[in-house]
Amino acid sequence: GAVVSQHPSWVICKSGTSVKIECRSLDFQATTMFWYRQFPKQSLMLMATSNEGSKATYEQGVEKDKFLINHASLTLSTLTVTSAHPEDSSFYICSVPILSDEQYFGPGTRLTVT
Amino acid sequence: GQNIDQPTEMTATEGAIVQINCTYQTSGFNGLFWYQQHAGEAPTFLSYNVLDGLEEKGRFSSFLSRSKGYSYLLLKELQMKDSASYLCAYGQNFVFGPGTRLSVLP
Repeated sequence: GAVVSQHPSWVICKSGTSVKIECRSLDFQATTMFWYRQFPKQSLMLMATSNEGSKATYEQGVEKDKFLINHASLTLSTLTVTSAHPEDSSFYICSVPILSDEQYFGPGTRLTVT
Repeated sequence: GQNIDQPTEMTATEGAIVQINCTYQTSGFNGLFWYQQHAGEAPTFLSYNVLDGLEEKGRFSSFLSRSKGYSYLLLKELQMKDSASYLCAYGQNFVFGPGTRLSVLP
């Protein structure tokens, strides 16, 4: 069965609105979760590391005020895209690291901003 | 710094063997991962190499040379369903390569 779930699986929103994406670890307690973004025909780019009980760590070039991350519990991390614009349209994927060897990826959320 | 590279696209024939290369440069190394990703789906884990050498897992094998900063994924007896992107990645924060889009033709 699935180890990591994401909700919603796809969302369409209007420019200027905010969208929240949830990532849930179903079988593991996750003190850390990763958020990735993937544009069409490109590879995954790490956006930020979500840390339970503390602030997220953002990669260079990622606006922390635009991509709000909240790791409220050991099973849930949320990514909120604030004031979304068409260029934010992308495939957003979260993952949960398992020990040091592997990550389990969520099924992804396809965001389209019109 | 960190740098990782893969060929962008490859084409092979059903039943054949294909080798997908990955080169990397990093100041720290935690092992090299390979993932398969079908269009519109999340990546799925294929292999993890932390020591030099070849590791075989069914039709898929992965090789690592740490001194050369080089890895490859070997796919044997190709099937149509193997058409996908193949991503190599390293590091605790999983720096991904650009991905190789493999097309398997009948």
